[in-house]
Amino acid sequence: DAGVTQSPTHLIKTRGQQVTLRCSPKSGHDTVSWYQQALGQGPQFIFQYYEEEERQRGNFPDRFSGHQFPNYSSELNVNALLLGDSALYLCASSRRPIDNSPLHFGNGTRLTVT
Amino acid sequence: AQTVTQSQPEMSVQEAETVTLSCTYDTSESDYYLFWYKQPPSRQMILVIRQEAYKQQNATENRFSVNFQKAAKSFSLKISDSQLGDAAMYFCAYRIQGGSEKLVFGKGTKLTVNP
Repeated sequence: DAGVTQSPTHLIKTRGQQVTLRCSPKSGHDTVSWYQQALGQGPQFIFQYYEEEERQRGNFPDRFSGHQFPNYSSELNVNALLLGDSALYLCASSRRPIDNSPLHFGNGTRLTVT
Repeated sequence: AQTVTQSQPEMSVQEAETVTLSCTYDTSESDYYLFWYKQPPSRQMILVIRQEAYKQQNATENRFSVNFQKAAKSFSLKISDSQLGDAAMYFCAYRIQGGSEKLVFGKGTKLTVNP
């Protein structure tokens, strides 16, 4: 049973560029959330997708956008990259109703902006 | 706004001994969940233990147990019989009950296990 898979593992981009990160949820899961983890910090919630719509959003600018596909996989897009966007981006999946469903995390994508 | 505070940036323990990691949180909600996650160098967040706020009984999972003090808004993790594989970053996290996916994390505690 495959868990949450994220690609790519590592990514290096230049300031001002755009990046797309991908996530496939654990089998049977329909909800995907994205978190940003800066070095030495705990993860911060970016947004959550369910039924192909953004359901909840954290305190992140509009440069951060996402998408969920009919097969429940998800993408995180970041436009106009800043040096401060360098971080580990974690995807997590769960199944509704989420109160009874533990959150499963992927191994993350390490984004470096130079 | 909900906040989670972990006051111990680093902790160390001898193999086979017991260690306690501290966590405090701030919320005005009465129904919520608290979690401890482990993040080894592989980077994957692994759920260690979960506590529902409405339950007075402290959660336990094998060698891991919590001391949940709702009035004090305190949620510490005790690891008994520490093993080398327990070495990792440990994050305390909070989530409101009722459909929200948003986890609020502390800054983490780095646990070192000495042989």
